[in-house]
Amino acid sequence: ELQLVESGGGLVKSGGSLTLSCAASGFSLRNYTMNWVRQAPGKGLERVSSISSNSNYKYYAESVSGRFTISRDNARNSVSLQMNSLRDEDTAIYYCARKRGDDLSHDAFNLWGQGTKVTVSS
Amino acid sequence: DIQMTQSPSTLSASVGDRVTITCRASQSISTSLAWYQLKSGKAPNLLIYKASILESGVPSRFSGSGSGTEFTLTISSLQPDDFATYYCQQYDRLWAFGQGTKVEIK
Repeated sequence: ELQLVESGGGLVKSGGSLTLSCAASGFSLRNYTMNWVRQAPGKGLERVSSISSNSNYKYYAESVSGRFTISRDNARNSVSLQMNSLRDEDTAIYYCARKRGDDLSHDAFNLWGQGTKVTVSS
Repeated sequence: DIQMTQSPSTLSASVGDRVTITCRASQSISTSLAWYQLKSGKAPNLLIYKASILESGVPSRFSGSGSGTEFTLTISSLQPDDFATYYCQQYDRLWAFGQGTKVEIK
């Protein structure tokens, strides 16, 4: 079964740090652009960060740029999101998602994890 | 940035109803549009991509249409498992989601 499993969420104080991990099983993620998408309480979906298959291209939403760092380890079949200087507004469920097609294609996200909850408390 | 506007934000319907959700883009995105289903505690599920292509494994009661700036997701006969929140997403330029449509039991 194709699966993405996120981990690393939890309760952290404002200004603190947290690292989220996303482990793939049932397939190799080395050929895919991987993404982090979050949903704050009562809000819609927001794409947070993306990384191309060879890590050459990284995208960050303006709201997290300079504070979050995305990385991947294709040998370990995993993607990570290092989150620093956390703010109350970073409280959300964070989903890992795989984009269809190759790095250059504009496409949808066809495999998602169940998410990991991050709560930032001041 | 391309803005996506979904309507309605909430929809009350009964099992067996035909349901239509609309998504409008602030500028033309051709057919670079996807629809997702979200349920609390579960992984989001891709339903439709390229505006009208049904993702493998998704029931045929789901369908998508549109191009340019106006798109629709239709559920031909609402089933109990379909009560959820639905999001559109454009991927023509970067990615952006609509604000979601909650389909609730009438």
